[in-house]
Amino acid sequence: DTAVSQTPKYLVTQMGNDKSIKCEQNLGHDTMYWYKQDSKKFLKIMFSYNNKELIINETVPNRFSPKSPDKAHLNLHINSLELGDSAVYFCASSPYPSGGGTDTQYFGPGTRLTVL
Amino acid sequence: AQKITQTQPGMFVQEKEAVTLDCTYDTSDPSYGLFWYKQPSSGEMIFLIYQGSYDQQNATEGRYSLNFQKARKSANLVISASQLGDSAMYFCAMRRRSSASKIIFGSGTRLSIRP
Repeated sequence: DTAVSQTPKYLVTQMGNDKSIKCEQNLGHDTMYWYKQDSKKFLKIMFSYNNKELIINETVPNRFSPKSPDKAHLNLHINSLELGDSAVYFCASSPYPSGGGTDTQYFGPGTRLTVL
Repeated sequence: AQKITQTQPGMFVQEKEAVTLDCTYDTSDPSYGLFWYKQPSSGEMIFLIYQGSYDQQNATEGRYSLNFQKARKSANLVISASQLGDSAMYFCAMRRRSSASKIIFGSGTRLSIRP
């Protein structure tokens, strides 16, 4: 039943490690996103993929690499984790905003990443 | 540049009262969409309501309505008959049609409902 799911929900790791967060949606949407929410609750888009193709790439360190094996999945891999990477990471999906419809984005439950 | 402003960092409201959460936006794009999301303490982001810039009527979804004043560039969320479960962070967001699906969010308003 879950529309947008993320694993893991919590991730605690040491500085310098490499980690991945997985995201899957069963809504049949073409577009998926990664957002970062910092400790002040500010939400900022990081990446967006449409049908496995990267369409938004905000100013994000290249230690962050999204991978979309198919349009239902968008994973986020982070290399050489730093203290400042600690945040909640949200995956979202929507229909592609091709001019019609609400293109509302539906969010996953979030992954709380803590870097020690 | 587009921008979303939520000027109320926190609000306290008595249960059963109506509450208005303010949101103003800035864009030069004539076509855009406005959204409100709720984030309870459990952390998930829940979509509440959407308003398109060309929609003639204000959007409504159950107890939620969006007071859209295009000339003033405001998109306030109105919650009628507030409930304890409405206590949460509320985010206003905007997407321009020309921006390849990029949404920007306001800083949020923390709403607390008093019994």
